[in-house]
Amino acid sequence: DAGVIQSPRHEVTEMGQEVTLRCKPISGHDYLFWYRQTMMRGLELLIYFNNNVPIDDSGMPEDRFSAKMPNASFSTLKIQPSEPRDSAVYFCASSLAGLTTDTQYFGPGTRLTVL
Amino acid sequence: AQTVTQSQPEMSVQEAETVTLSCTYDTSESDYYLFWYKQPPSRQMILVIRQEAYKQQNATENRFSVNFQKAAKSFSLKISDSQLGDAAMYFCAYRGRDDKIIFGKGTRLHILP
Repeated sequence: DAGVIQSPRHEVTEMGQEVTLRCKPISGHDYLFWYRQTMMRGLELLIYFNNNVPIDDSGMPEDRFSAKMPNASFSTLKIQPSEPRDSAVYFCASSLAGLTTDTQYFGPGTRLTVL
Repeated sequence: AQTVTQSQPEMSVQEAETVTLSCTYDTSESDYYLFWYKQPPSRQMILVIRQEAYKQQNATENRFSVNFQKAAKSFSLKISDSQLGDAAMYFCAYRGRDDKIIFGKGTRLHILP
């Protein structure tokens, strides 16, 4: 299994631009999670999906952030417009089942720099 | 709300020695999972070990083991025979019934040759 795949691995953009991060979960996993990691705030859960349906987006910082999961094998996290404070490493993770029954497997992350 | 606390921002251990990383958590739930994740310089999050709260037996994975004290809400990680490749940031994490994982702030582990 290839594991969770994220693209791009690095993204540098200018303030005000739209940024789209992509994730392919492990095949067969029902849950998909988006996290953001910064030095100041550590690792934060932004949103998670179950069977392609967003379950909890309370961690999404602002309306500038949106996430979609059009099918079981693909998800996007979009920031529009981007700001320098959005600079962080964004992780996608997937798991086979929820309700405390399984482990989350993380992708390699996307390092986003907004100038 | 649940919280996870790692009180040691950094630790160092001599190669081949044993080190214990501390983690405490707060929850009102009785059924949950606890995890230790390793994040090397590559930034990948790697699962090290997990513990089901309903199991009294401490989880073990090769040189990694935990000391799970449910009543004390403590979940420490012991690394035996430390190796240079163990140098990384280690995160303690809690996953409750709402499926969210809550991470501690992390402990950076240095291995001294």
